Amino acid sequence: QKEVEQDPGPLSVPEGAIVSLNCTYSNSAFQYFMWYRQYSRKGPELLMYTYSSGNKEDGRFTAQVDKSSKYISLFIRDSQPSDSATYLCAMRGSRSGGANNLFFGTGTRLTVIP
Amino acid sequence: DAMVIQNPRYQVTQFGKPVTLSCSQTLNHNVMYWYQQKSSQAPKLLFHYYDKDFNNEADTPDNFQSRRPNTSFCFLDIRSPGLGDAAMYLCATSRDTNIQYFGAGTRLSVL
Repeated sequence: QKEVEQDPGPLSVPEGAIVSLNCTYSNSAFQYFMWYRQYSRKGPELLMYTYSSGNKEDGRFTAQVDKSSKYISLFIRDSQPSDSATYLCAMRGSRSGGANNLFFGTGTRLTVIP
Repeated sequence: DAMVIQNPRYQVTQFGKPVTLSCSQTLNHNVMYWYQQKSSQAPKLLFHYYDKDFNNEADTPDNFQSRRPNTSFCFLDIRSPGLGDAAMYLCATSRDTNIQYFGAGTRLSVL
């Protein structure tokens, strides 16, 4: 079983739709959860960063973490064509000192149709 | 302003011909990472430098090496590229265990 599972899509939605992207994970030690957006042929760009369970909102984006279910979500409201990209979830455990080994999902490719 | 800069953006090499990819950063982060990302796959960590300490992932082939001559620069050397090494190579940096910032990547083709 992979540490992080993510539906690769592709997912196509009309402009203005609400998008829900999800990841599940198996390691209960994960404490920090991230969503990266990756445009075609570019590097990942950090969108959201959350610690432990709960919700975090930033403009049209909301990240949710449910540690009891080992399930995280990213919601995009009023989706725009410029949101078309691959969305990668990433997570790591709590570790003081040292580096930061991230575990990534495979990414969900999203297309927002004008 | 670009903070993690990778050069070149596209690299074509021949089977077995050594190639070096470059990463520089203006963030003064102490950790630098190299990832390999193949099409429709998650980035796979190859190794990282924590300050001057090199940390290799257990399943990284010996064909892949890295150098970090100073805080700002890190290089990925592929000694004898095979067709299976064609991929996007991503450099990332962080301050200790904090957020990783990625460069735009170098897309490597092996002919």
